[in-house]
Amino acid sequence: DIQMTQSPSSLSASVGDRVSITCRASQGIREDLGWYQQRPGEAPKRLIYTISKLQTGVPSRFSGSGSGTEFTLTINSLQPEDFATYFCLQYYSFPWTFGQGTKVEIK
Amino acid sequence: QLVQSGAEVKKPGASVMLSCKASGFTFTSSFMHWVRQAPGQGLEWMGRLNPHNGGTDYAQKFQGRVTMTRDSSINTAYMEVSSLTPNDSAIYYCARQAGGMDVWGQGTAVTVSS
Repeated sequence: DIQMTQSPSSLSASVGDRVSITCRASQGIREDLGWYQQRPGEAPKRLIYTISKLQTGVPSRFSGSGSGTEFTLTINSLQPEDFATYFCLQYYSFPWTFGQGTKVEIK
Repeated sequence: QLVQSGAEVKKPGASVMLSCKASGFTFTSSFMHWVRQAPGQGLEWMGRLNPHNGGTDYAQKFQGRVTMTRDSSINTAYMEVSSLTPNDSAIYYCARQAGGMDVWGQGTAVTVSS
């Protein structure tokens, strides 16, 4: 199985900050990497797919980058509604696997 | 849109059947995945169903205990989980495959308790 190591597990930031979350895959996953946001009590919502493609309707302050085994989600100018938990997902091979999650909290 | 069935409470050893009704897209054109999330935990992929032909791929952890089926006439996917234990208490999500998983159901909470 491909392990997705996500860091940090949590972070505190202020409105307007730029934050970055990283996922490292235990082997190459080509471009089969997505990022999801989950607010408490809600289903996950896709933000990014294929490393850097923005889901329709998602604000442009969200961006994805990376290649091979290391990938990053960046949120520019954090907004109040962005305080949530974020997960990466590799869909290169079965079983599909998620990162452990990063909880973004208000400083 | 994916709309899932309501919350379930089951006793250990029982089975549960969850449903996921699709609308707004061609049901048979996209694989359907199931993912679960235990309280306060991360997301765990359980497997996927091909609604076109009923084919399935299961995570090894759930092989023999999970069965995914569908009724294409009503655009609905099902997942049955058998031999439930308290460790199966979780929210279960269905999600459509498209560049990973693009559309998710609202989730079904399953509680396993004696």
